[in-house]
Amino acid sequence: DADVTQTPRNRITKTGKRIMLECSQTKGHDRMYWYRQDPGLGLRLIYYSFDVKDINKGEISDGYSVSRQAQAKFSLSLESAIPNQTALYFCATGSGGRDTGELFFGEGSRLTVL
Amino acid sequence: GQNIDQPTEMTATEGAIVQINCTYQTSGFNGLFWYQQHAGEAPTFLSYNVLDGLEEKGRFSSFLSRSKGYSYLLLKELQMKDSASYLCAVWDSNYQLIWGAGTKLIIKP
Repeated sequence: DADVTQTPRNRITKTGKRIMLECSQTKGHDRMYWYRQDPGLGLRLIYYSFDVKDINKGEISDGYSVSRQAQAKFSLSLESAIPNQTALYFCATGSGGRDTGELFFGEGSRLTVL
Repeated sequence: GQNIDQPTEMTATEGAIVQINCTYQTSGFNGLFWYQQHAGEAPTFLSYNVLDGLEEKGRFSSFLSRSKGYSYLLLKELQMKDSASYLCAVWDSNYQLIWGAGTKLIIKP
């Protein structure tokens, strides 16, 4: 089983619908992140959380919200989806250590908003 | 602003060597990362450099010059499975990761 699991893997929805992307991890990491990836733009940070009571906005948080239900779970919501939120979304976790800072990514959730 | 530049696309031949460059301008520096991402898949960690010099790991090596704001990823003995995008990312002074747009590497037989 994957260490970082995202659901759903693919979703097609319509403008105005509410969408939730879920992420769970078995790595025991405190830090969790949500990124979106668009062709030619690289990874952009939406929200991040360093523990259950800590939620921080990233560079592109408008139109998104998150919930850290437990150390292992971090969900991303689009309250009213719009077409320019069509993208590949990645959840990632990290230990926050100052040694390598390696992030571990889920397999991605491809969202299409019509 | 913070910026990371890397070539959009590169082509190389199987068995050859390729060097992917990355230059950065960030608010502080706490390390530079290289990740590999196959099409439609998640990025996976390749290397981390925080001190100047070359770090070698099998067929892959990563170099850093902090004074020049420059890094490169060197891939030797290229294999078809190395066809992927290579992402450069920098930890800034607040340990926020700043990502480049990635370099798509195409390997030809």
